[in-house]
Amino acid sequence: EDQVTQSPEALRLQEGESSSLNCSYTVSGLRGLFWYRQDPGKGPEFLFTLYSAGEEKEKERLKATLTKKESFLHITAPKPEDSATYLCAVQTRSGGSYIPTFGRGTSLIVHP
Amino acid sequence: DGGITQSPKYLFRKEGQNVTLSCEQNLNHDAMYWYRQDPGQGLRLIYYSQIVNDFQKGDIAEGYSVSREKKESFPLTVTSAQKNPTAFYLCASSIAPLTGRETQYFGPGTRLLVL
Repeated sequence: EDQVTQSPEALRLQEGESSSLNCSYTVSGLRGLFWYRQDPGKGPEFLFTLYSAGEEKEKERLKATLTKKESFLHITAPKPEDSATYLCAVQTRSGGSYIPTFGRGTSLIVHP
Repeated sequence: DGGITQSPKYLFRKEGQNVTLSCEQNLNHDAMYWYRQDPGQGLRLIYYSQIVNDFQKGDIAEGYSVSREKKESFPLTVTSAQKNPTAFYLCASSIAPLTGRETQYFGPGTRLLVL
C-alpha cells in the first residue's frame, strides 16, 4: 500500500533557527512528490514538485530535496511568517490515472 | 483571475439535513477533487472526477454524493447518512492526471459545523 509519512508532527523554532521537515514515502514508481503550505483556515498553497532522486528546488528560505525514499524541506533562517502546516503528497496509480496521497503534515511555529 | 472558489465559507447543518457545498473553477481543468480535513488527519479524498459526467469514490465516500454536470463545477452533498460531518472541506482541481506529475490547486475551503 502506498504511504506518505511526515515528521515531526509539530516543530517549534526560534526566528533564525534553521531546521528540516521530513516526508518519507513508499510508493511503486514515484512520478512526482509535491510540497504545499497551508495557513490556518485556508486551502493549501503549492510550493514545489520534485520528480527524481537528487533533484532540488528553492524558493526564498525554503529548499526541497528528494531521495529514493524521502524528501526534506529545509527552512533556512525562518521568520515568524513561515509559520504554517507543510503538507507533502505523492501521486499513486489508480487504474489508468493517478490520484494523490497526502501525509498528515508538519505544523511549524516560528517564534520571534 | 483564474482560480477555485468555494462557498459558503461556513455552513451549519442540522441533524438529518442534507447540505451542498459549492466548488467552481475557471482554470479549464479536467479533474476536480473533494477532500475532508480533520485535525491531525491530513487530507482524505472523498470523491474525484476526471471528466464531465464521471466521478469515482475516494477513501471516505460513504455519506457523501457528488455530480459533475459541467466542467467548471463539482458540488459535494453531505447527506444525513454522514454521522460525523464536522470538518474542513477542500476542493481542488488539476489538468488530467495522466502522468502523475500534475499539480493540484486548492480552493479556500468550507468549514461545516453541526448544530
